[in-house]
Amino acid sequence: DIQLTQSPSFLSASVGDRVTITCRASQSVRNYLNWYQQKPGKAPQVVIFAGTNLQGGVPSRFSGSGSGTEFTLTIDSLQPEDSATYYCQQSFNTPRTFGGGTKVEIK
Amino acid sequence: QVQLQESGPGLVKPSETLSLTCSVSGDSIRSQFWSWIRQPPGQGLEWIGHIYSSGTTNYNPSLKSRLTMSIDTSKNHFSLQLGSLTAADTAVYYCARVNITSFGVVVMDVWGQGATVTVSS
Repeated sequence: DIQLTQSPSFLSASVGDRVTITCRASQSVRNYLNWYQQKPGKAPQVVIFAGTNLQGGVPSRFSGSGSGTEFTLTIDSLQPEDSATYYCQQSFNTPRTFGGGTKVEIK
Repeated sequence: QVQLQESGPGLVKPSETLSLTCSVSGDSIRSQFWSWIRQPPGQGLEWIGHIYSSGTTNYNPSLKSRLTMSIDTSKNHFSLQLGSLTAADTAVYYCARVNITSFGVVVMDVWGQGATVTVSS
């Protein structure tokens, strides 16, 4: 199975800050990497797909970069509604796997 | 608007079999892949497996021996059965649509609200 390691597991930032979350894969997943946002009590929602592509309806302050084994999710100008847990997920092969999650808190 | 809705028992006894159904509205279940994912309380996400409209399945090896997925195109729903339950199977179970993007990358783009399942006697 491909292991995905996210860092940090928790971050606290202020409104307007730029935050970056990293996802490292145990082997190359090319660009087969997606990012999901999950708010408490809700289902995950896709934010970024194929490494760098913004899902429709997602604010442009979200962006993704990377390929191979290292990926980042960046939120420019953090907003209160961005408080959530973010997961990376690979679809390079099966079983699909997820990172352990990064909880983003607003100070 | 595509919507997925999980249904099934909220409480199941140890050693018994869990049966969940995901009803799809606003989209045809045909010619697409559909997934199940679960999330134990306070923990991360685990992919359970997926099924194609033809009935072809791909299961997580960690669950394969206890797992059966099925699909009913006439009812536009798909189902999961997980046997020999233990407390470790307590989780929120989500169903999701699998979208193959123009980039060829697969993403789970529409999710159900989740069904909470507790395994306890």
